[in-house]
Amino acid sequence: KQEVTQIPAALSVPEGENLVLNCSFTDSAIYNLQWFRQDPGKGLTSLLLIQSSQREQTSGRLNASLDKSSGRSTLYIAASQPGDSATYLCAVMNYGGSQGNLIFGKGTKLSVKP
Amino acid sequence: NAGVTQTPKFQVLKTGQSMTLQCAQDMNHNSMYWYRQDPGMGLRLIYYSASEGTTDKGEVPNGYNVSRLNKREFSLRLESAAPSQTSVYFCASSFYKGNQPQHFGDGTRLSIL
Repeated sequence: KQEVTQIPAALSVPEGENLVLNCSFTDSAIYNLQWFRQDPGKGLTSLLLIQSSQREQTSGRLNASLDKSSGRSTLYIAASQPGDSATYLCAVMNYGGSQGNLIFGKGTKLSVKP
Repeated sequence: NAGVTQTPKFQVLKTGQSMTLQCAQDMNHNSMYWYRQDPGMGLRLIYYSASEGTTDKGEVPNGYNVSRLNKREFSLRLESAAPSQTSVYFCASSFYKGNQPQHFGDGTRLSIL
């Protein structure tokens, strides 16, 4: 059964720092991996989707990498800002009968201090 | 620019009561999903509809039913609410079930006493 783990559970950094959020998964037979952002009391916003054949995706100050063989993904945030404060969730989509079903990690709560 | 709209935003029920959570999307998406989010558990898929006219169970379907009313709307029904169903419920949609990002509503916060 696929399991997704995100470490650390919480992270506090000063404004301007570059930071890395980690995601690991137990079954490397994934279809894609997605990173989401969740603000308090809100739904999830899709940030980046990496297909299984890709190594990384970039959007603005965000860069996500994928290493299927080791079961790891990282989300790199450059020059962090207080507006980046949110919970970041990683989710994988498996091949097979449950294709299309996302399996989520529990998230990393990021706080960027001014 | 509504995206995915969920109603109601908050609801308190007594054990044994029934209710339906409503979800509508205006992005012409084919696939729709219902998740629940619980502290320490993350998001878990309850039911999904890969396309209009089809529905399938997800990871935690017990105690719930769904209806894909049309391409836009996907409802979740609790027939006899239990305290264990206290949660935040999210509806999501995507163009197709598979290699497409999912778009989420803002959630329904449901408390069952």
